[in-house]
Amino acid sequence: QVQLQESGPGLVKPSETLSLTCTVSGGSIIDYYWSWIRQRPGKGLEWLGYIYYSGNTIYNPSLKSRVTVSIDTSKNQFSLSLRSVTAADSAVYYCARDEGIAVGTFDYWGQGTLVTVSS
Amino acid sequence: QSALTQPASVSGSPGQSITISCTGTSSDVGGYDFVSWYQQYPGKAPKLMIYEVSKRPSGVSDRFSGSKSGNTASLTISGLQAEDEADYYCCSYAGSTTRFGGGTKLTVL
Repeated sequence: QVQLQESGPGLVKPSETLSLTCTVSGGSIIDYYWSWIRQRPGKGLEWLGYIYYSGNTIYNPSLKSRVTVSIDTSKNQFSLSLRSVTAADSAVYYCARDEGIAVGTFDYWGQGTLVTVSS
Repeated sequence: QSALTQPASVSGSPGQSITISCTGTSSDVGGYDFVSWYQQYPGKAPKLMIYEVSKRPSGVSDRFSGSKSGNTASLTISGLQAEDEADYYCCSYAGSTTRFGGGTKLTVL
């Protein structure tokens, strides 16, 4: 059974960089697209970006200038960096696997990690 | 990028059927057969219920079904049960990007 687990700081200061890592267990990171999705408190889901095991990335156009997703296949991990954060970036951040070809078929999800942006 | 449009809330009584709509454009819902639906309980991660418009993952009840007409996709839940009370989100491929709907809160009366 594939499992995903997010890790990283729960508190980030404004203007700094939010960094999270997703560790994949129970399956290989190879041959799939992996994604970051966030949910602001009381709000809906927002897709942030994809990465393929080869390193190819696809980003949400509205966040493209601030987002980087990277992957380490040797560790079965992929990561999110979100630069210049503000309070509006406070959210629960989920990592997920796309069962298809980066088409929004997220079949496995992490439990989510709450990140608060505050000084 | 604009989110897909869903009703904020729907409700139904046990045993009834309800339908949640998801309206997009020809650039997303109408342009591709890659619409998925997610169920989310409070404080939990979303769960895939429908993918590629109408396909059900293994283990998902056949009370859940999906369809699409033009720029609008729909999720139908038949034989409504108390456990179906949750938030539901649609999601569509949009040509190198992915969009979610704003979410619909389903209340089982």
